[in-house]
Amino acid sequence: DIQMTQSPSTLSASVGDRVTITCRASQSISNWLAWYQQKPGKAPELLMYKASTLESGVPSRFSGSGSVTEFTLTISSLQPDDFATYYCQQYNSYPYTFGQGTKLEIK
Amino acid sequence: EVQLVESGGGLVKAGGSLRLSCAVSGLTFSNTWLSWVRQAPGKGLEWVGRIKPKAEGGAADYAAPGKGRFTVSRDDSKTTVYLQMNSLTTEDTAVYYCTTGKAAAYFDHWGLGTLVTVSS
Repeated sequence: DIQMTQSPSTLSASVGDRVTITCRASQSISNWLAWYQQKPGKAPELLMYKASTLESGVPSRFSGSGSVTEFTLTISSLQPDDFATYYCQQYNSYPYTFGQGTKLEIK
Repeated sequence: EVQLVESGGGLVKAGGSLRLSCAVSGLTFSNTWLSWVRQAPGKGLEWVGRIKPKAEGGAADYAAPGKGRFTVSRDDSKTTVYLQMNSLTTEDTAVYYCTTGKAAAYFDHWGLGTLVTVSS
């Protein structure tokens, strides 16, 4: 199975900050990577797929980059609604696997 | 608007069985790949399995924890997907989400989830 490792596990930041979350795959996944945002008690929501393609309706302050084994999710200017947990997911091969999550907290 | 509504969760004893249902609306169900993803309390997301449309063979694939115990099936006439879970263990305690997405590769629509609690 492909292991997905996110860093950091927790990130403290302030409104207006630029933040970056990293996701590393244990083997090449090309650009078959998605990012999700999850708020407490809610289902995850798709932010990005194919590493850098923004899902419809997602604000443009979110961006994604990377390929092969290293990927990043960047939020250019944090808004209050962005404090949540973020997950990456590879869909290069079965079983599809998720990172362990990055909790973005208010500093 | 795409909607997925899970049901069937609850409390079951270890070794027992449970069948989850997910009613889907707002899309062409027969063409849709469907997946189940679970989340144990306070933990991350785990892909459980998925089923192809019948036109693409209708086969299902599973992650290792559910292989041999879980079965994903679909009823296109009811636009419903099922997750039959047998020989449940406490490790299966989680919120189970029904999801769809392009070829079930990534997941752009999610249900609200249904909680399965397995007691020892």
